Amino acid sequence: GENVEQHPSTLSVQEGDSAVIKCTYSDSASNYFPWYKQELGKRPQLIIDIRSNVGEKKDQRIAVTLNKTAKHFSLHITETQPEDSAVYFCAASKVGASGGSYIPTFGRGTSLIVHP
Amino acid sequence: DAGVIQSPRHEVTEMGQEVTLRCKPISGHDYLFWYRQTMMRGLELLIYFNNNVPIDDSGMPEDRFSAKMPNASFSTLKIQPSEPRDSAVYFCASSFVAGPHRDTQYFGPGTRLTVL
Repeated sequence: GENVEQHPSTLSVQEGDSAVIKCTYSDSASNYFPWYKQELGKRPQLIIDIRSNVGEKKDQRIAVTLNKTAKHFSLHITETQPEDSAVYFCAASKVGASGGSYIPTFGRGTSLIVHP
Repeated sequence: DAGVIQSPRHEVTEMGQEVTLRCKPISGHDYLFWYRQTMMRGLELLIYFNNNVPIDDSGMPEDRFSAKMPNASFSTLKIQPSEPRDSAVYFCASSFVAGPHRDTQYFGPGTRLTVL
């Protein structure tokens, strides 16, 4: 099955700095890569995603890059703010047995701490 | 839409008791997922349904765990008998296979289960 490795497990930055979280995956059939943010005590929520036909995607201060050849993808957050503090999960997804929706395998998560 | 609804939000029970967790997916979504989240193992996919049919239950840890989806608006995850190592946050999520937000997993608020 799919194996997703996520690094670092903890990331501490100063407000205004950039933060980068990296993930690798093992299954070349995976071609949808979402990122979820989970604030303390809350549910995971999608913040950005990328499909395999695209190498990079941006949404304001966040961006995701994908290298399918190397089987790795990264989340970049610029100008970090204290409200960015949360656990971030990457996922590698492929179409499930029934067809249709992509089924994710999640990384272990990165705890991002942004110091004011 | 109210989003994915889970009940109860918190459950404290004693070892050996039966526990039933409930989930109402977003109306119109055709996929439903059950996850377990712990510090040790991260976010694990237990089982998922497509159009009320279980597709992959390979993540269910043991026969003590069972899940049903009798109709499109309701699913249960049952643990019988419960054990202390089942203590975790259990999330339900739903998704839709079409449209601009296809494959996005919408998580419920979770059920925090404590087995004493």
